[in-house]
Amino acid sequence: GESVGLHLPTLSVQEGDNSIINCAYSNSASDYFIWYKQESGKGPQFIIDIRSNMDKRQGQRVTVLLNKTVKHLSLQIAATQPGDSAVYFCAENIEGGSEKLVFGKGTKLTVNP
Amino acid sequence: DVKVTQSSRYLVKRTGEKVFLECVQDMDHENMFWYRQDPGLGLRLIYFSYDVKMKEKGDIPEGYSVSREKKERFSLILESASTNQTSMYLCASSFGLLADHQETQYFGPGTRLLVL
Repeated sequence: GESVGLHLPTLSVQEGDNSIINCAYSNSASDYFIWYKQESGKGPQFIIDIRSNMDKRQGQRVTVLLNKTVKHLSLQIAATQPGDSAVYFCAENIEGGSEKLVFGKGTKLTVNP
Repeated sequence: DVKVTQSSRYLVKRTGEKVFLECVQDMDHENMFWYRQDPGLGLRLIYFSYDVKMKEKGDIPEGYSVSREKKERFSLILESASTNQTSMYLCASSFGLLADHQETQYFGPGTRLLVL
């Protein structure tokens, strides 16, 4: 089965609030993680990534946190906007393996105006 | 910007037809991938390729084949389409082994295939 999963399948927030999307992974050998955003009818779009030698990485309005102790990954979106409504996937790459990624099933984020 | 394009956004085919899905990337990426995406099942890897004329099976290769004659193009072939192959098909590409963040995959817009 998949080693990447998500705690919540759906998340609903108010516009302007901060959003936190969680992901659990089970393979301690994973050394690279990516968050993707998929809007309705489109392909997944790269948002941000993080390597296992880091525990935090920030982008524009997004922050990814990695807790290797409990094998947990999260994506934080600041000041969530209606355009952030989408399905968010985490993906992992196992160290020493191929360039294949293992994807979670996704969390649907809905931003209410 | 990386650009991955897929030949069709929507396709309707009949059971038993041979179906070709084309994918082209313009970033000289070494690796290319074909996935299908179904509700509740997420993305599942069908086939991938590390180089021209190379292919490797993913998790669900049955009923599919692929072709990579040129570096920029990766084709998915349904030899005899069946209704259980109705799905969203996503193509992706990534840099090769000598590049940073080689694992990051960039996706095309997807092809929604309906097999009747």
